[in-house]
Amino acid sequence: QQQVKQSPQSLIVQKGGISIINCAYENTAFDYFPWYQQFPGKGPALLIAIRPDVSEKKEGRFTISFNKSAKQFSLHIMDSQPGDSATYFCAASTTSYDKVIFGPGTSLSVIP
Amino acid sequence: SAVISQKPSRDICQRGTSLTIQCQVDSQVTMMFWYRQQPGQSLTLIATANQGSEATYESGFVIDKFPISRPNLTFSTLTVSNMSPEDSSIYLCSVRGQTSGANVLTFGAGSRLTVL
Repeated sequence: QQQVKQSPQSLIVQKGGISIINCAYENTAFDYFPWYQQFPGKGPALLIAIRPDVSEKKEGRFTISFNKSAKQFSLHIMDSQPGDSATYFCAASTTSYDKVIFGPGTSLSVIP
Repeated sequence: SAVISQKPSRDICQRGTSLTIQCQVDSQVTMMFWYRQQPGQSLTLIATANQGSEATYESGFVIDKFPISRPNLTFSTLTVSNMSPEDSSIYLCSVRGQTSGANVLTFGAGSRLTVL
């Protein structure tokens, strides 16, 4: 019940296209859903996050869509750029729970 | 957010040896977390290290294999003991910050260990 599922495992997108990564969770106690971006040789870094009281959050080219009833959330990267090529992890946590549960990750490659 | 330095950044080790990874944070933090990231895999929490107390280990990880020290509020070490090739991974140190009451993790760059 603590698991976070993520798909696809890898994704290739043309420059300028839209990248979409999907995640699903089981535990309804989760109340914070961050996305982390990891470049090779670096640690993961927080990219964008959402709480379940909103259905969408947008920061620049990055948008999280959240469907509370379906227990699903997704990351959309608009106008994808080669510099967006990285591994993306969705995650879930609760404010009363010290642990963050990570999805298995999606390797994104944006080709020119 | 906190700045985390890890040493070594990478190392190649022989089977049966042990290696200690150091994690230095530029601010005082209560809790520090150690994660393992196996090749092409997600992040798995090894243990949580609180200053002044024993580390709390997750299921599947034991103190004899991964002893942790936390001598003060800015520093921690993780030792990988009696290494085997299965221990080849990236080991990440992390601290938690609060953004609007939520758990936001900041990670070091990681220590990539290869065990031959």
